This record gives sequence, C-alpha cells and structure tokens, in this order.
Amino acid sequence: NAGVTQTPKFQVLKTGQSMTLQCAQDMNHNSMYWYRQDPGMGLRLIYYSASEGTTDKGEVPNGYNVSRLNKREFSLRLESAAPSQTSVYFCASSEDREEKLFFGSGTQLSVL
Amino acid sequence: DAKTTQPPSMDCAEGRAANLPCNHSTISGNEYVYWYRQIHSQGPQYIIHGLKNNETNEMASLIITEDRKSSTLILPHATLRDTAVYYCIVRWYNNNDMRFGAGTRLTVKP
Repeated sequence: NAGVTQTPKFQVLKTGQSMTLQCAQDMNHNSMYWYRQDPGMGLRLIYYSASEGTTDKGEVPNGYNVSRLNKREFSLRLESAAPSQTSVYFCASSEDREEKLFFGSGTQLSVL
Repeated sequence: DAKTTQPPSMDCAEGRAANLPCNHSTISGNEYVYWYRQIHSQGPQYIIHGLKNNETNEMASLIITEDRKSSTLILPHATLRDTAVYYCIVRWYNNNDMRFGAGTRLTVKP
C-alpha cells in the first residue's frame, strides 16, 4: 500500500524554467493538498482540491497552478520558477475535508 | 481558523511522559484541535484530534480544557523516536484549509 506518492524526490531548476510536481494517492481519497515548507518553518498551504474537478487557493498560491487530473492525481505546476520557490513540497490527501491528512515524502526543489 | 501558540522547543527524558501545551484562546465552538508531528524531513504524521472531550489512541492522549482555550498532547512514555516537531492546529471541521504553524520541537534525551 503506497499511500501518497510524489515525484520527483529532488529537482534543481534554473530561474525561469517550468516544471510539474506529480502526486498520486491510492487510498480513494476525495481531498488532496499541496504544501510548501521553507527551512525552519511550518507548512504553508498552496492549493487544495476538495473533490475531483475542484481546486481552491490556499495561503500562498501565487506562482503556482494545479490540476486535479482525476481522483488519484493532483499536480502542481511552476510556470516560471523563481529562487523564492526553493522549498520542500508536500502533497497530502484525506478521505474528506474533516478527516486526517496523509502526507507524501516530499519533493526538495532548488531554484538557482 | 483560530490561531495557536506553542513553545518553540521542549526536552523530555526517555521513558518519561512528554506534555506538549498549546494555547488556542480564540477557538470557536465548531473548531477541532488537531495534532501532527514531523520527524526530521519526512511528511507530517497525524497523531490525534478532538473537539471538547479528552481523547486517547495508541500514540497519545489529548487533554482539552473545559473552556477549550488550551490543550495538552501527552506522549505517555517518550522514546528517542518521538523526537520531532509537533504541530497543534485548530480547524473548523468542514474547512479544507489546515494551516501549520512553527510547532514545538521536542527532543527526547537518553
């Protein structure tokens, strides 16, 4: 049982490059989330999806786009990466909005 | 969602109970208290949550004061593997936007 799987685990980008972070869950959860965590800081919510076909902004959405491709997959796209987006990105899922979150192992992204 | 206040760091001796406090004085009646922890650089792990009654599971106990303005997470017999950052989050039950603060860094010492 894989739970929440994120790819890639590590990525280095140059300023201005674009990339998509992938997230998939095999728990048949309705809700999915993207967080970022800067060094020494708590997690901050970027975007979330309460159900397939819906997405909403979180606390820090600027510079990001998301796609809820289907119930299993929720991707995060950086169209033009900036050094300020250097962070560890975590994807999470929950059965419903009120339920506990299950997190992936994270993607460490560096933007030079 | 109500804001929470936690001490930045705490130490605990191995085998002793770890009591982690959280202040949430502006909590409203339909907001739950959640606790997660993050071990090193892993993804956060759910521990426990509650509304007004005390809760216990295989990992920990959650004690919520009668006025619900504060709570305490209790790890009854801390081990070295419990060294982690512990996050207290207050969240409206039907709200997707779960916000993590800086948390408490718990260090369990031999």
